[in-house]
Amino acid sequence: QSALTQPRSVSGSPGQSVAISCAGTSTDVGGYTYVSWYQHHPGKAPKLVIYDVTKRPSGVPDRFSASKSGNTASLTISGLQAEDEADYYCYSYAGSNSWVFGGGTTLTVL
Amino acid sequence: QVQLVESGGGVVQPGRSLRLSCAASGFDFRTYAMHWVRQAPGKGLEWVAFISWDGRHKSTVDSVKGRFTVSRDNSKNTLSLQMGSLGAEDTAVYYCARDFSQKYTIDFWGQGTLVTVSS
Repeated sequence: QSALTQPRSVSGSPGQSVAISCAGTSTDVGGYTYVSWYQHHPGKAPKLVIYDVTKRPSGVPDRFSASKSGNTASLTISGLQAEDEADYYCYSYAGSNSWVFGGGTTLTVL
Repeated sequence: QVQLVESGGGVVQPGRSLRLSCAASGFDFRTYAMHWVRQAPGKGLEWVAFISWDGRHKSTVDSVKGRFTVSRDNSKNTLSLQMGSLGAEDTAVYYCARDFSQKYTIDFWGQGTLVTVSS
């Protein structure tokens, strides 16, 4: 149950795109189509922005997209806006009713 | 609207126990599996525990096995986390979270309750 590997920080200017990677193993990210992404503003409840690897919940703008290749998932945020500045976590099912988060990535909008 | 309200956090001495509760409203609690997730100060999110809708299936992260027990009372729309043999490493904000049915993820979170383990 080791944490998934994410870059500690990424940054971009308004209007630009950024990508956040999430590296796991064949027993979590690579083994299931159950990868999610959360946006977390400190002091608030995390918000689901992607589930089932690529799907967006209702209300999440299509600026948020995601994909997976092998044991690595990625979240891309295009047309960066100031309110996108937050911590982002990937989350994967790891079998036998267990789950694992990534270490988290802090997105800074310059 | 969906509401999850955690309670029971506070300061507890090392080695002692604490019980967290989560009051659910705004949805049919008895049909949803639930999770506990925690975040230590300055650290990332960590999945802690899962319980199925009927309480028959439970699981916990290895670091709390044998010390933490998750339970639920569907008649009272309440989720609980009994925490024992607490150590400094258990200091964290603990979130109650709703399982996104059939999607193997979490779709809604409470605001969290802070547990501080300190002498």
